[in-house]
Amino acid sequence: GAVVSQHPSWVICKSGTSVKIECRSLDFQATTMFWYRQFPKQSLMLMATSNEGSKATYEQGVEKDKFLINHASLTLSTLTVTSAHPEDSSFYICSAGGREDTGELFFGEGSRLTVL
Amino acid sequence: GEDVEQSLFLSVREGDSSVINCTYTDSSSTYLYWYKQEPGAGLQLLTYIFSNMDMKQDQRLTVLLNKKDKHLSLRIADTQTGDSAIYFCADNPPGYALNFGKGTSLLVTP
Repeated sequence: GAVVSQHPSWVICKSGTSVKIECRSLDFQATTMFWYRQFPKQSLMLMATSNEGSKATYEQGVEKDKFLINHASLTLSTLTVTSAHPEDSSFYICSAGGREDTGELFFGEGSRLTVL
Repeated sequence: GEDVEQSLFLSVREGDSSVINCTYTDSSSTYLYWYKQEPGAGLQLLTYIFSNMDMKQDQRLTVLLNKKDKHLSLRIADTQTGDSAIYFCADNPPGYALNFGKGTSLLVTP
């Protein structure tokens, strides 16, 4: 079964509104979570590293004021797309934890954001 | 991360073998991965290979690794229509998140 859960799986919003996406680790604690963004037919691009109890580390070119990340507990990280615009429409995927023996990371199911 | 390169599209007939190729750049990755993504879905780990191995076989999947050339391939034997998806290879620089290729769309025709 899934060990990382994302919510919502799909959200449609009007331009100018803010949308919050949750990433939860199930049955384990995650001090670090990663947020990826995937445009249609493109690869996953790392947006930021979410660190529990401290500020997120953003990749170059990602606006931290646009994509607010909060990692307030060891099982929850949230990504808030503020004042969303159509160009923010994308598939957002988080990952957390992993297996120490293989290094496999666990991914959420993804959240599809459509901004009208 | 640095670029991980893959061919973008591959079409095969049902029952044939599929080979998806990937070149990576980070020689310090301990593991290299293949992920599968079906339409509208998240990522599913398909298989992985430890960096000191040349080959790994897992049922219909065979992974070949050439560390000298930094070349990774995924062979799917007896490809089925259900194998149609996007396949991503990824390396894993130490202390960094996975670095994905752009993905190869595999289309399996009857």
